[in-house]
Amino acid sequence: SQTIHQWPATLVQPVGSPLSLECTVEGTSNPNLYWYRQAAGRGLQLLFYSVGIGQISSEVPQNLSASRPQDRQFILSSKKLLLSDSGFYLCAWSDAILAGDLRNEQFFGPGTRLTVL
Amino acid sequence: RKEVEQDPGPFNVPEGATVAFNCTYSNSASQSFFWYRQDCRKEPKLLMSVYSSGNEDGRFTAQLNRASQYISLLIRDSKLSDSATYLCAVRGSGGSYIPTFGRGTSLIVHP
Repeated sequence: SQTIHQWPATLVQPVGSPLSLECTVEGTSNPNLYWYRQAAGRGLQLLFYSVGIGQISSEVPQNLSASRPQDRQFILSSKKLLLSDSGFYLCAWSDAILAGDLRNEQFFGPGTRLTVL
Repeated sequence: RKEVEQDPGPFNVPEGATVAFNCTYSNSASQSFFWYRQDCRKEPKLLMSVYSSGNEDGRFTAQLNRASQYISLLIRDSKLSDSATYLCAVRGSGGSYIPTFGRGTSLIVHP
């Protein structure tokens, strides 16, 4: 069965510090990978998604970046954190989408709760 | 109009009650719909997928109304453990395969 891991679980960082969050998926090949942020009392905001190694699509311009160095590894980074970067960061995976396929069930990792002070 | 809208609630119901909440969507070409359950400070977990008129899984029933562009989630015989936030996700058509999430509806089941 497939599992998705994220770490760290919680993180407290000062403004201006760098960030690196990691996500790995097991039990599947060539998944689509996603990074979401959920701010307190807000909905899920899609930040980045990837359909393959080295392929990253950005949904929202900001000081975050993402990379996919391996098929089942997705990394979220920042060079300098802002206060507004605080939130609950969720990585998700889904099967690769084929033409005409109606599915896209996404499965989420346990998340990283980031507080920027 | 937002792409996916949900009443934030909270819906407060006694154990054993039947409760339903709706999720409206703006893209009439949307093809696939999902309900997720999110417990406090946890990740969303997939509850149900809907590709046609509806789906049923035990006490949970999802109904799709394409004419009025909403999908509903019905929970029968509510349990205390059903207390959570329920997120609706709607997948677009064509190349837009990534679902858009609503902000969720909070359900509190009390004794």
